Amino acid sequence: GDSVTQMEGPVTLSEEAFLTINCTYTATGYPSLFWYVQYPGEGLQLLLKATKADDKGSNKGFEATYRKETTSFHLEKGSVQVSDSAVYFCALSLNTNAGKSTFGDGTTLTVKP
Amino acid sequence: DTGVSQDPRHKITKRGQNVTFRCDPISEHNRLYWYRQTLGQGPEFLTYFQNEAQLEKSRLLSDRFSAERPKGSFSTLEIQRTEQGDSAMYLCASSLDVDTGELFFGEGSRLTVL
Repeated sequence: GDSVTQMEGPVTLSEEAFLTINCTYTATGYPSLFWYVQYPGEGLQLLLKATKADDKGSNKGFEATYRKETTSFHLEKGSVQVSDSAVYFCALSLNTNAGKSTFGDGTTLTVKP
Repeated sequence: DTGVSQDPRHKITKRGQNVTFRCDPISEHNRLYWYRQTLGQGPEFLTYFQNEAQLEKSRLLSDRFSAERPKGSFSTLEIQRTEQGDSAMYLCASSLDVDTGELFFGEGSRLTVL
């Protein structure tokens, strides 16, 4: 079946450090890929997405590129801030599944000043 | 606030009792989803509605679980004869009737079964 594997956390960084959170996927078709973020006490919200190979999603300084050859969608940010502390979820959705998404287990990021 | 709202935010119950959660999606969204999330894991799909029709149910959804969306607006998720293993965060999400895959989540309803 479809699955998403994220790097295990938690991840602790100092402010202005470079961030990479790895995500790889297995899917039977051609999925759309997503990163969701969950800030403390809030619901999951979409951070960025990419719908086809080689697309790059970006938002709030975060980027991720859909790599079909490596089945990956790694999340990066050049300079993290304390306010980026949150749980990050990688997810995929197949168009045939009408929006039903498969999620990774999440990676907790803590940024220290 | 025009986001997805869920009620109650936290429910504590004794094993064997019935509980019901309500979800109000974003008003123009035709699709409504229920997910379950346990500590340290990502959300797992439970069921999905398009308007009032329940189109898919996960094998995770035992016959003690029932979901409805009677008028294609709000939805309820009922768990009968709760078990300690039902303790989890129950997430509701909604989306437009377009296959973008993007989900809009509520803050969740946390169930604790004693």
